[in-house]
Amino acid sequence: EAQVTQNPRYLITVTGKKLTVTCSQNMNHEYMSWYRQDPGLGLRQIYYSMNVEVTDKGDVPEGYKVSRKEKRNFPLILESPSPNQTSLYFCASSFLTDTQYFGPGTRLTVL
Amino acid sequence: GENVEQHPSTLSVQEGDSAVIKCTYSDSASNYFPWYKQELGKGPQLIIDIRSNVGEKKDQRIAVTLNKTAKHFSLHITETQPEDSAVYFCAASMIGSARQLTFGSGTQLTVLP
Repeated sequence: EAQVTQNPRYLITVTGKKLTVTCSQNMNHEYMSWYRQDPGLGLRQIYYSMNVEVTDKGDVPEGYKVSRKEKRNFPLILESPSPNQTSLYFCASSFLTDTQYFGPGTRLTVL
Repeated sequence: GENVEQHPSTLSVQEGDSAVIKCTYSDSASNYFPWYKQELGKGPQLIIDIRSNVGEKKDQRIAVTLNKTAKHFSLHITETQPEDSAVYFCAASMIGSARQLTFGSGTQLTVLP
């Protein structure tokens, strides 16, 4: 089944404790992206990647890192999480000329 | 950069009535306009999209219209059903470029039985 998977789905952590949210897709998509969703703000892009080893900042990159060492994986790293990073996070992927397919989301709470 | 505004933020309709959600965008270079439906606890799912070389597209009970001159596009749902209740997002982008989707803030649609 074609899909985007994210892990974990739910995470509660404390300020400053490094964490990684994994994202994987099985559709051979070149493009992958991370969004955060906050009430009243819609989805805002954090980082995106056009292909392996090619990443770039989206609209809200501060406090996040990403890497794209393999085509199928695009992990999101929070090296020192803060409470303002409490949010619902979505990974998405697509071919460059097609629409994006979203994962099921990761709800992160930073205490 | 691109800015997408979406209205209304909430919409309640009676089952069987029509629902219309409107979006405006700012960047005239945008040429791809998808609509996503997000059900509770799930990621957004594409329901329909339109490219700038067409003015209207239909898929059963849903349709999207695009007015490039005015830079606005709309989602129309006819004969609404309770399962249409969800949050709907519009978005705009330039397909094939490094610029990605810019989303509207979402519309919570509630279909009352």
